Amino acid sequence: NAGVTQTPKFRILKIGQSMTLQCTQDMNHNYMYWYRQDPGMGLKLIYYSVGAGITDKGEVPNGYNVSRSTTEDFPLRLELAAPSQTSVYFCASNGANVLTFGAGSRLTVL
Amino acid sequence: ELKVEQNPLFLSMQEGKNYTIYCNYSTTSDRLYWYRQDPGKSLESLFVLLSNGAVKQEGRLMASLDTKARLSTLHITAAVHDLSATYFCAAFFGNEKLTFGTGTRLTIIP
Repeated sequence: NAGVTQTPKFRILKIGQSMTLQCTQDMNHNYMYWYRQDPGMGLKLIYYSVGAGITDKGEVPNGYNVSRSTTEDFPLRLELAAPSQTSVYFCASNGANVLTFGAGSRLTVL
Repeated sequence: ELKVEQNPLFLSMQEGKNYTIYCNYSTTSDRLYWYRQDPGKSLESLFVLLSNGAVKQEGRLMASLDTKARLSTLHITAAVHDLSATYFCAAFFGNEKLTFGTGTRLTIIP
């Protein structure tokens, strides 16, 4: 039982490049979330999903896009990377009040 | 506006002492989570509080929830060095958005 799996763990991007952070869960949870955590700060909600085909914006959605075509996968896409998107990104899923986080993806934009 | 506020933000305490971290939230929530985060790591679930008056304990940590006051507390008893970490509370709003507090960075001094 893998829980929540995020890839990649580390990535360096140049300004203007695009990439997708992958998130997969094997617990059949409907609720999934993407957060970013800047150094020494708390977590800010980027996007969330309450089930396949349903997504909504969180607190800081600008510069990101998501999709949820299956219950298992919730990828986060950065279209035009900017230095302000340098952060650690966490994916999480919630089922029956059990919230499980992935290990995180550390992204640096130079 | 959805807000979750923790205090203190930083806490240094001596081993063997007791202290409390406070978590206030701005609007009705029926689920409150506490997490621990070690440097460079993901979030580890500590407690889920689901109803007014709920109290949960694990080792030297005890969490409680007062939904009428919109307040949760995390009490540390006889602190030991291993409890040094950042502690976050998080509240569900509207049954969908999980909003995190700013975190409390706890340092236990021998």
